Amino acid sequence: KQEVTQIPAALSVPEGENLVLNCSFTDSAIYNLQWFRQDPGKGLTSLLLIQSSQREQTSGRLNASLDKSSGRSTLYIAASQPGDSATYLCAVGGTYKYIFGTGTRLKVLA
Amino acid sequence: DAGITQSPRHKVTETGTPVTLRCHQTENHRYMYWYRQDPGHGLRLIHYSYGVKDTDKGEVSDGYSVSRSKTEDFLLTLESATSSQTSVYFCAISRDETNEKLFFGSGTQLSVL
Repeated sequence: KQEVTQIPAALSVPEGENLVLNCSFTDSAIYNLQWFRQDPGKGLTSLLLIQSSQREQTSGRLNASLDKSSGRSTLYIAASQPGDSATYLCAVGGTYKYIFGTGTRLKVLA
Repeated sequence: DAGITQSPRHKVTETGTPVTLRCHQTENHRYMYWYRQDPGHGLRLIHYSYGVKDTDKGEVSDGYSVSRSKTEDFLLTLESATSSQTSVYFCAISRDETNEKLFFGSGTQLSVL
């Protein structure tokens, strides 16, 4: 059974810092991996989708990498801003549909 | 933003009452999903649909049923609501199963007293 873990559960950083969020999964037979952002009381917004054949995807200040063999993905946020404060979730897609991690709650301090 | 509307946005009901949540999409996407989100558990898949009248169970399907009579509508029914079904319910859609992003609605906060 696929299990997805995100560490740390919460993170607080000063504005301007570059940071890395981690996602690990137990079964490497995946179709893709997505990173989402969730603001309090809101739905999830897809940030980046990495296909299983890809190693990374970039969008603006965000860069996501995927290493299937080690069961890991990272989300790199450059020059963090207070507006980046949210919960970030990763989800692994496979025959079992999407399995989500429990998220990392990020707070960027002004 | 993807055109996904969930209704109602909030609902309070009593134990033993049937409850139906609605998800409506304007994107003509083939796949629709119902998730529940609980503290400490993240999002868990309840049921999903891969076409009109084509549905299948997810990880936590007990006590829930679904129906999809039109491409745009996916209904989730709690047959007899229990307090353990108090949760935030999210609908999601995708164009296909493996290569497209997942888009979410704004959620329904359900409280079963």
